[in-house]
Amino acid sequence: EAGVAQSPRYKIIEKRQSVAFWCNPISGHATLYWYQQILGQGPKLLIQFQNNGVVDDSQLPKDRFSAERLKGVDSTLKIQPAKLEDSAVYLCASSLDLEYEQYFGPGTRLTVT
Amino acid sequence: GNSVTQMEGPVTLSEEAFLTINCTYTATGYPSLFWYVQYPGEGLQLLLKATKADDKGSNKGFEATYRKETTSFHLEKGSVQVSDSAVYFCALRNTDKLIFGTGTRLQVFP
Repeated sequence: EAGVAQSPRYKIIEKRQSVAFWCNPISGHATLYWYQQILGQGPKLLIQFQNNGVVDDSQLPKDRFSAERLKGVDSTLKIQPAKLEDSAVYLCASSLDLEYEQYFGPGTRLTVT
Repeated sequence: GNSVTQMEGPVTLSEEAFLTINCTYTATGYPSLFWYVQYPGEGLQLLLKATKADDKGSNKGFEATYRKETTSFHLEKGSVQVSDSAVYFCALRNTDKLIFGTGTRLQVFP
């Protein structure tokens, strides 16, 4: 069974530029999560989708971050414009449904200079 | 609110040494508790879990017991290997949300 796929694996941008990350969850998984992991900290949930609807985006900085999950499968997370403090690893995870085990992708490491 | 506190690392051990990584939590209700492991360059993997008080989770020689009276879920392994070198995250789940600790880096030397 293929795992959660993410791309790109690494990205370096200058502040005020925009960037987008892509996630392909495990086939059949209804729930998809985006986490931000700043160096030296644990992952923090940014947004959670159930199929193509948003369940929780209370921790998403909506002035600069946006995410979508069209058709309830792949998802993209966008930052526009980026700030230095957005440098982090962005992790995507999926689960069969709410409250099932979450499976994590390898992450995208973003560096904002 | 919900939170997880882990011992700071790095934890440095020689191969075959005994490992303990401390984890305590604060939560309303009755959370499930987890240990995740992150190997270099990889995503988080679930290592073990416990869903109620006094449950013991175990996997790959690691184990942790859900202690409600001390609100703890300490990770232990009797004999570590070089291949166990990784970052270990303690986490709790209340309703559907995973709350992670800050992680503890383990370095095992031959």
